[in-house]
Amino acid sequence: EVQLVQSGAEVKKPGESLKISCKGSGYIFTSYWIGWVRQMPGKGLEWMGIIYAGDSDTRYSPSFQGQVTISADKSVSTAYLQWSSLKASDTAMYYCARLGSSARHIDYWGQGTLVTVSS
Amino acid sequence: DIQMTQSPSSLSASVGDRVTITCRASQSISSYLNWYQQKPGKAPKLLIYAASSLQSGVPSRFSGSGSGTDFTLTISSLQPEDFATYHCQQSYRTPWTFGQGTKVEIK
Repeated sequence: EVQLVQSGAEVKKPGESLKISCKGSGYIFTSYWIGWVRQMPGKGLEWMGIIYAGDSDTRYSPSFQGQVTISADKSVSTAYLQWSSLKASDTAMYYCARLGSSARHIDYWGQGTLVTVSS
Repeated sequence: DIQMTQSPSSLSASVGDRVTITCRASQSISSYLNWYQQKPGKAPKLLIYAASSLQSGVPSRFSGSGSGTDFTLTISSLQPEDFATYHCQQSYRTPWTFGQGTKVEIK
């Protein structure tokens, strides 16, 4: 069974750094792209970027380029999303997701990690 | 970026109703259009990919159609478990973009 298990909810202050994780299991981690999707409170879904777990080839949405870093460690089948300096506007639910074999749709989603940034 | 516009933003329907949701792209996206269902507090779930292909395990009352700029998600007979928000998403060109969502509520 394919599973993406994300790290737990975080509460941070503006300016702090953060790295959240997404561990894949039940499939060959290095053969698929993993993406990150943001959902701000009461809002729609926003595609942040993707990483190919096999070689860490990474593509960012221009809206998130320079704001976050996406990485992966294939030795532990885990993808990461990190911030160097959080802002209150980063408060959102963040989902990791696996792209299907065609790499043209998301076929599995993590359960989400809620990030709250507040002073 | 390619803009995706869903209509309506919300709708009220009864169990057994036929429901249609529309998604329009700001430029042609061929058939690179996916539909997801999201229930409150849960992650989205893939329903339809490549405009009309039903994801494994998804009930056959869900169907998708369209190509180019105009797409439709149809629920042939609405069931209690279908009350949720539905999102379209284009994968023709990065950055992938989503519609704003359509919330299907109980009448």
